[in-house]
This record gives sequence, structure tokens and C-alpha cells, in this order.
Amino acid sequence: GNSVTQMEGPVTLSEEAFLTINCTYTATGYPSLFWYVQYPGEGLQLLLKATKADDKGSNKGFEATYRKETTSFHLEKGSVQVSDSAVYFCALSDLAYSGAGSYQLTFGKGTKLSVIP
Amino acid sequence: DTGVSQDPRHKITKRGQNVTFRCDPISEHNRLYWYRQTLGQGPEFLTYFQNEAQLEKSRLLSDRFSAERPKGSFSTLEIQRTEQGDSAMYLCASRPEMNTEAFFGQGTRLTVV
Repeated sequence: GNSVTQMEGPVTLSEEAFLTINCTYTATGYPSLFWYVQYPGEGLQLLLKATKADDKGSNKGFEATYRKETTSFHLEKGSVQVSDSAVYFCALSDLAYSGAGSYQLTFGKGTKLSVIP
Repeated sequence: DTGVSQDPRHKITKRGQNVTFRCDPISEHNRLYWYRQTLGQGPEFLTYFQNEAQLEKSRLLSDRFSAERPKGSFSTLEIQRTEQGDSAMYLCASRPEMNTEAFFGQGTRLTVV
């Protein structure tokens, strides 16, 4: 079946530090890949996505590149801010895996990021 | 439209009681999903509706769980004879088409005591 593995947290960084959160996946077909973010007290929000190999998703200074050869989708940001403190989830949708065309999301366990001034 | 709305935000119930949660998706989103998130884990898929039809159910959805979407708009998730293991955040999401962004509600946090 499909699965997503994220680096364990929590991650604590100083403001303006470089961020990498590793994500690898196992999928039956050719999945779309996503990063979702959950700020304290809020729902999940889509941060960025990539739908095919070598695509780069980007948003709010965050980037991730769909690497089919390494089955990875690592999240990076060059300079984090205190406002980036949140839980980050890597996820995939795999049409080949989702019965009845649900295109359900399979999530990793999440990585909690804390950025200190 | 302000997004996916879930009610209640928090629910505390005694073991053995029944509970029902409601989800109002973004209007005109015909695809609706329920997920469950336990502490320290990512959300796990429970069930999927396309309009009023429930097309897919996860093995996580035991026979104590039932979900409906009677008119293809709002949805309800009922848990009968709650157990402590049902304590979790229940998330609802909707999307207009298959390969588009899924929008999540803020969730209903259930605590079974």
C-alpha cells in the first residue's frame, strides 16, 4: 500500500536558519505529492504541491521538488521566520490506489517546527 | 463562502454514548472526505462521498461508525457506543474535482472519558 515517511520532530530553529524536512514515499502508481501546514488552532492548509516527476512546488518561500528516482519530496526554506512555527505534513494522492476514484490523501506523521527569535 | 465548517469544535462524551458531528463543505464542492487524526499522527482516511453517494470506506470505519450526506451538501459522522480509542480529531475536507486542492475544516476534537 501507499505510505509517507517524514523526519521525526520536533525541529527547533533560530530565525533566519535554513530548513529541510525530509519526506519519502511509497506508492503504487504515479502519485501527486503535497505539503500541508497546520498552524496552532487552525485546520490543515495546502502549502505546495507537485503532480509529476521533477516538478517543483513553491509557496511563501518554501520549495519541494518531486524526485521520482529517490521517491522523495523534501521541504526546504532558506530563511525561516517565527511565523513559520507549525506542524508540517507530507502527503500523497495516488489514483491507482484510491478505489472509486476518491483520490484520498495519505499523510505522514507530521513534523513540528518551532522557530525561536 | 468562508470554507469548510465543522460542528462542534470540541465534544466530551462518556464511554458508551453516541455522538454526531456535522461538516458543511464549500458550496459546489461535490467531493467530501472524513479523516481521523490521533495525537502525534497524520490524518487517516475514513470515508469519501461524491455528491450524496458514499463511494469508499476505510477499514478504519468500524460498524459503530456511520456517515451520511443526504442531499449532497452537508455531511454527518455518527459514532455509536463510543470507546476511549475513538478519542481523536475528526477532520472533514472537500474539493470540487478529483485532482484539485482539498480544503480542510478545523476539525472536531472528540474526547471519550
